[in-house]
Amino acid sequence: KQEVTQIPAALSVPEGENLVLNCSFTDSAIYNLQWFRQDPGKGLTSLLLIQSSQREQTSGRLNASLDKSSGRSTLYIAASQPGDSATYLCAVRTAGATNKLIFGTGTLLAVQP
Amino acid sequence: DGGITQSPKYLFRKEGQNVTLSCEQNLNHDAMYWYRQDPGQGLRLIYYSQIVNDFQKGDIAEGYSVSREKKESFPLTVTSAQKNPTAFYLCASTPQQGSGANVLTFGAGSRLTVL
Repeated sequence: KQEVTQIPAALSVPEGENLVLNCSFTDSAIYNLQWFRQDPGKGLTSLLLIQSSQREQTSGRLNASLDKSSGRSTLYIAASQPGDSATYLCAVRTAGATNKLIFGTGTLLAVQP
Repeated sequence: DGGITQSPKYLFRKEGQNVTLSCEQNLNHDAMYWYRQDPGQGLRLIYYSQIVNDFQKGDIAEGYSVSREKKESFPLTVTSAQKNPTAFYLCASTPQQGSGANVLTFGAGSRLTVL
């Protein structure tokens, strides 16, 4: 059974710092991995999607990497801003599981001005 | 603007009552999903539907029911059989084909509280 873990559960950094969020999964047979952002009391916004054949994806100040063999993904946020404060969730789609995502519990990020 | 509309945003229910959460999308997406989110837990899949008039149970379907009579609509009923219904409910959709086939679009959520 696929399990997705995100560490740390919460993170506080000063503005301008570069930071890394971690996501690990137990079954390396994945189809893709997504990173989402969730603001308090709101729905999720897709940030980046990495296919199983890819190593990384970039969007602006965000860079997500994927190492299937070790069951890990990282989300790198450069030059963090207070507006980046949110909960970040990763989710994997296990190969063969039709359109079903397994979510991690998220990392709550606070960027202090 | 295209998107997913969930209503109501907040809902209070007495024990023993059934309630229905609405989810409407104008994205022309084929597949729709209902997730439940609890503090300290990841999102868990309740039901999903890939085409009209067809739906499948997710991981925690007990105490819930859905229908998919129209492509745009995927309402979720939380029945009195659901023992712990207080949670944040999220609806999502995705096209079945094309470049966006793997990217979920989420609604803003509905928070259900049982009194």
